[in-house]
Amino acid sequence: DTGVSQDPRHKITKRGQNVTFRCDPISEHNRLYWYRQTLGQGPEFLTYFQNEAQLEKSRLLSDRFSAERPKGSFSTLEIQRTEQGDSAMYLCASSMIFGQETQYFGPGTRLLVL
Amino acid sequence: AQSVAQPEDQVNVAEGNPLTVKCTYSVSGNPYLFWYVQYPNRGLQFLLKYITGDNLVKGSYGFEAEFNKSQTSFHLKKPSALVSDSALYFCAVRGGFQKLVFGTGTRLLVSP
Repeated sequence: DTGVSQDPRHKITKRGQNVTFRCDPISEHNRLYWYRQTLGQGPEFLTYFQNEAQLEKSRLLSDRFSAERPKGSFSTLEIQRTEQGDSAMYLCASSMIFGQETQYFGPGTRLLVL
Repeated sequence: AQSVAQPEDQVNVAEGNPLTVKCTYSVSGNPYLFWYVQYPNRGLQFLLKYITGDNLVKGSYGFEAEFNKSQTSFHLKKPSALVSDSALYFCAVRGGFQKLVFGTGTRLLVSP
């Protein structure tokens, strides 16, 4: 299967620790997105890459959050000094670059901050 | 700003009956609308999208959606529900820079 993959699938950490998540998009997709989903809510946009360029960041993405896509392939999302409010499902999606292309989502990384 | 509303938190339907999951939207300009389904502890699976063209869009697993510009709606439908259709359904609209703006979701429960 060549869908979007995310690692790890689950992460439990203590408040104040740093965590890093990885997303591998569908291989021919130029665009990569990060979303956050909390319980009972729809996903909320965090940030977006076209190739290696980060083109938009949501106000939700505080200075404790950083995302990279160094070679235009996989991406990492790092959260520094985690807080309990960071507990959520972090979803990655990818799409082609042309037109209104569909975003295909990975299985997500569920983060629990104790 | 682009937004969608899903007025029903939950929809209950008996297996074999038709189902409708409602979505209304608010956009400036042409709407690009999507439906996704989410099973427990899983990511989102794409069902269908409306970009332009026919108002009735057909998608995966027998689902279809009807785009109604005058009512600013994009309701998801299926002629005959299956128990396995029970899941969380999200309507979304494309916002700026290709990001998706999602509704709060509707839980569909199909009883045997």
